[in-house]
Amino acid sequence: VLTQSPGTLSLSPGERATLSCRASQRVSASYLAWYQQKPGQAPRPLIYSASSRATGIPDRFSGSGSGTDFTLTISRLEPEDSAVYYCQQYGSSSYTFGQGTKLEIK
Amino acid sequence: EVQVEESGGGLVQPGGSLRLSCAASGFTVSNNYMSWVRQAPGKGLEWVSVIYSGGNTYYADSVKGRFTISRDNSKNVLYLEMKSLRAEDTAVYYCAREDFKSGSYSYFDYWGQGTLVTVSS
Repeated sequence: VLTQSPGTLSLSPGERATLSCRASQRVSASYLAWYQQKPGQAPRPLIYSASSRATGIPDRFSGSGSGTDFTLTISRLEPEDSAVYYCQQYGSSSYTFGQGTKLEIK
Repeated sequence: EVQVEESGGGLVQPGGSLRLSCAASGFTVSNNYMSWVRQAPGKGLEWVSVIYSGGNTYYADSVKGRFTISRDNSKNVLYLEMKSLRAEDTAVYYCAREDFKSGSYSYFDYWGQGTLVTVSS
């Protein structure tokens, strides 16, 4: 199980967002990813292998962590960062998503 | 350009069946790991099923025995056959390609726009 916190985050443009993803059991960092989903759109990959940015993702987005605790950091927030963010892990031919963190830009 | 496009969603009665399709372009479905991921209205993402390039298939416990994932290599299409549908299967169903390298990374790099399945009488 992946548990994300907080459930909702409300910040202003230019601030830094820190999103947490905690696993109930140790997760291989190689298989931990983050996605962004805006209303009416498909999820978009942001981070894979816990800290590698997917194609086209700006360096404002960064990931870190190991073991059971992982973090997505978005620096210098912009209005278009308003979205729901999901962490996801792969293990033993099964895939699990966190319940999501909703990021609101004031 | 890599693209995936789902189709086949619609309204179905509880206990009914439906087959979803995912047409791929820009890559070969049979050479990749392909999954179905669903999202109930207003809810989060839930992985449903995967078919690996070697043909092995796996399912979430919530759909095991009711859903079948398959592919047509000649058409480059992924399918999800859904039977004994329940109200809780109502969701947008996404087709997603997985970029995978053993020991290095695994993530869904390309997603379709989804197709809505509504199970209701």
